[in-house]
Amino acid sequence: AQSVAQPEDQVNVAEGNPLTVKCTYSVSGNPYLFWYVQYPNRGLQFLLKYITGDNLVKGSYGFEAEFNKSQTSFHLKKPSALVSDSALYFCAVSPVSGTYKYIFGTGTRLKVLA
Amino acid sequence: NAGVTQTPKFQVLKTGQSMTLQCAQDMNHNSMYWYRQDPGMGLRLIYYSASEGTTDKGEVPNGYNVSRLNKREFSLRLESAAPSQTSVYFCASLGTGGSEQYFGPGTRLTVT
Repeated sequence: AQSVAQPEDQVNVAEGNPLTVKCTYSVSGNPYLFWYVQYPNRGLQFLLKYITGDNLVKGSYGFEAEFNKSQTSFHLKKPSALVSDSALYFCAVSPVSGTYKYIFGTGTRLKVLA
Repeated sequence: NAGVTQTPKFQVLKTGQSMTLQCAQDMNHNSMYWYRQDPGMGLRLIYYSASEGTTDKGEVPNGYNVSRLNKREFSLRLESAAPSQTSVYFCASLGTGGSEQYFGPGTRLTVT
């Protein structure tokens, strides 16, 4: 079965330190990969996506993500965390190009400590 | 440009009552989705509409029905609400396959 895994329910990081939020997927073919962020009592907001090309993708608010095909991973990163980055982060996969169904991970809560 | 709007924002129902959640988008997107979000479960797809005039079941369709009223609007109906349907419901839209989805602000539903 196709799936997306976010192995950490919560990640704690000190402000100013680099952060990584992990995502792995089990999807056949060449999927599109996405990261979304959700702030309290809000809908999900798009951060970045990987379609093809450079394995390092840059997105909003200084976030970037690294695609690794051999490890089927798409980890979210930021060089220097801010307290305002504290939120719930979701990885998502679109299994086949042109399809309309997306699979979401269970989410990782990021807590940045001042 | 309001994006994706949902009504109502909050709703409390008694078991067995019915209600319709409304969703509209003004981005001329072809595809629309209904998800539910539960703690520890992430987002689960209830139904989606790839284009106007079509609807398909997602991962958790039981107990729900949908209507793609026109290109802008996609409603979700609970015919006989159950406590297991207590959740936060999100509507989303998509322009083309492979693009990012745009989400509404959500409806928090409690069934007692």
